[in-house]
Amino acid sequence: IVMTQTPLSSRVTLGQPASISCRSSQSLLDSDGNTYLTWLHQRPGQPPRLLIYKVSNRFSGVPDRFRGSGAGTDFTLTISRVEAEDVGIYYCMQGTQFPTFGQGTKLEIK
Amino acid sequence: EVQLLESGGGLVQPGGSLRLSCAASGFTFSNYAMNWIRQFPGKGLECVSSISGNGGYISYSDSVKGRFTVSIDSARTTMYLQMRSLRVDDTATYYCANVANDYWGQGTLVTVSS
Repeated sequence: IVMTQTPLSSRVTLGQPASISCRSSQSLLDSDGNTYLTWLHQRPGQPPRLLIYKVSNRFSGVPDRFRGSGAGTDFTLTISRVEAEDVGIYYCMQGTQFPTFGQGTKLEIK
Repeated sequence: EVQLLESGGGLVQPGGSLRLSCAASGFTFSNYAMNWIRQFPGKGLECVSSISGNGGYISYSDSVKGRFTVSIDSARTTMYLQMRSLRVDDTATYYCANVANDYWGQGTLVTVSS
């Protein structure tokens, strides 16, 4: 499954919203009824870290300004008000079949 | 506290071999599906292998199938990635990870170059 993210880079003013789109080449709805779409965030020099799993579930400790949405083949990560610590690269990943990743979206502060 | 520590990376010539290790503390692999995920110098990510907690399910990306082999030791605390016939485009930082629980090592760099 090919994952396509847009945009590949984004510059956002502190306190403003940001949105990243992720599209899969086929539906991520599994036969068990779950949709295994994950969002990860990577800061420089660190491994990626889990933000959102199964489309819209925030992982433990993730601030509620992060929201995942979507279904089927179209998904979105929205940050309601960007903070300085949100800079880095965001990846979507599907786990419905053998895991594959989007290209990554680099988020910077304007 | 769960910790994963990769080792075994380094510089190797094309066609060579390398074995990566992922040592776990604070948990055993028996209960978790694990992945080897690599990050290319341009920051792209690729999952190269998946192995179930009991080792009964193993899968590889097409790019490494037939060249890489994942395994777990009998104590279920160390995972390995045996890499053979290495190519220049295998150059990457290799992470062991359980994404679902956000368990990641710090990565080990593999450079394939003559």
